[in-house]
Amino acid sequence: KAGVTQTPRYLIKTRGQQVTLSCSPISGHRSVSWYQQTPGQGLQFLFEYFSETQRNKGNFPGRFSGRQFSNSRSEMNVSTLELGDSALYLCASKLRGRSWSYQETQYFGPGTRLLVL
Amino acid sequence: AQSVTQLDSQVPVFEEAPVELRCNYSSSVSVYLFWYVQYPNQGLQLLLKYLSGSTLVKGINGFEAEFNKSQTSFHLRKPSVHISDTAEYFCAVSALTQGGSEKLVFGKGTKLTVNP
Repeated sequence: KAGVTQTPRYLIKTRGQQVTLSCSPISGHRSVSWYQQTPGQGLQFLFEYFSETQRNKGNFPGRFSGRQFSNSRSEMNVSTLELGDSALYLCASKLRGRSWSYQETQYFGPGTRLLVL
Repeated sequence: AQSVTQLDSQVPVFEEAPVELRCNYSSSVSVYLFWYVQYPNQGLQLLLKYLSGSTLVKGINGFEAEFNKSQTSFHLRKPSVHISDTAEYFCAVSALTQGGSEKLVFGKGTKLTVNP
């Protein structure tokens, strides 16, 4: 079974631009979560999508948004990029067979490394 | 609110030596604990997880961790490390969010460097 895939793997943007990152979960997985990883803040939860609905959002400004499609693929968008948005963005998927379950393992993709100049 | 503290940011060891990476957590509810490993330029890979039952959890690549409720710890151990174990290790706790969903709360990570 293929793992979580993320595209693109690397991205360079300039301040003020916007960017869209894509995540394809493991086949059959219905939940997709996004995390931001930076040297200073570590790994921080951005949001989770399940059945095309955002279930929860972390402590990030409204410039960060996302969506999920009917095939469970997800995209996240960052508008008006700032230098501090430079980070590794990780996507994780899980089955989420029940309405909610914190026992399910999340499987992570390789990440998209975003550099904002 | 759940939180995770990894007590060592960097741990250097020699090849074939034992290693322990320390993790303490804070949680007011039932805990589900995880250790992930991140190799350079890669995503996170699950090493092991504690959900319930036996407090000694065995994972991949010869790693194991022990859940200690009284000390709120979940330390990761390996009796003999290899050069290939050089990576960053993250301890995480599963936390409930306001919407009834859950997220992983991560520690800051421990960089393990195995020297020949």
